[in-house]
Amino acid sequence: NAGVTQTPKFQVLKTGQSMTLQCAQDMNHEYMSWYRQDPGMGLRLIHYSVGAGITDQGEVPNGYNVSRSTTEDFPLRLLSAAPSQTSVYFCASSATGGVQETQYFGPGTRLLVL
Amino acid sequence: GQSLEQPSEVTAVEGAIVQINCTYQTSGFYGLSWYQQHDGGAPTFLSYNALDGLEETGRFSSFLSRSDSYGYLLLQELQMKDSASYFCAVLYGGSQGNLIFGKGTKLSVKP
Repeated sequence: NAGVTQTPKFQVLKTGQSMTLQCAQDMNHEYMSWYRQDPGMGLRLIHYSVGAGITDQGEVPNGYNVSRSTTEDFPLRLLSAAPSQTSVYFCASSATGGVQETQYFGPGTRLLVL
Repeated sequence: GQSLEQPSEVTAVEGAIVQINCTYQTSGFYGLSWYQQHDGGAPTFLSYNALDGLEETGRFSSFLSRSDSYGYLLLQELQMKDSASYFCAVLYGGSQGNLIFGKGTKLSVKP
């Protein structure tokens, strides 16, 4: 049982490049989400999904796309990276997304956009 | 709108008790949860309050007052390993899955 896994751990991009951050969970959780964390800003929700085929926007969705074709995977796509997207990205999952549930976070992806 | 307010930093000494406050503003309240994050690590779940009162889990306790839209995390018998950031979180607008975090409180425990 690996929990929530994220790849890559580190990435450097040039402005305008695209990439996909991978997230997978093996706990059969319906809910998955992506957060970005910047110094002094806490965790800000980018996108979330309450089940396969269902996604919704969080606080800061601009510049990011998601899809949820399987229960296990929830990739985050940056179509044209910008320096403002330099951040640490965390993927999380829980059974259904309720605040009472434990959110399990992945180890994070550290992204630098030059 | 919605907001979560926490102090940005708190300092305490080993063995002491510290309280980290969180005030929230959100429509459709479903409870307040707390997370801990060590530098360089991922957040981990600590506790959850749906009803008014105190929930105790070992050295950590969490309190909620729904009428005051206020909660706090109480850490007792502080240890150096408790140095971390602590976040409160609520569901935004009561929407399932739209979990919003405060900006976090950085706790420094001194010897």
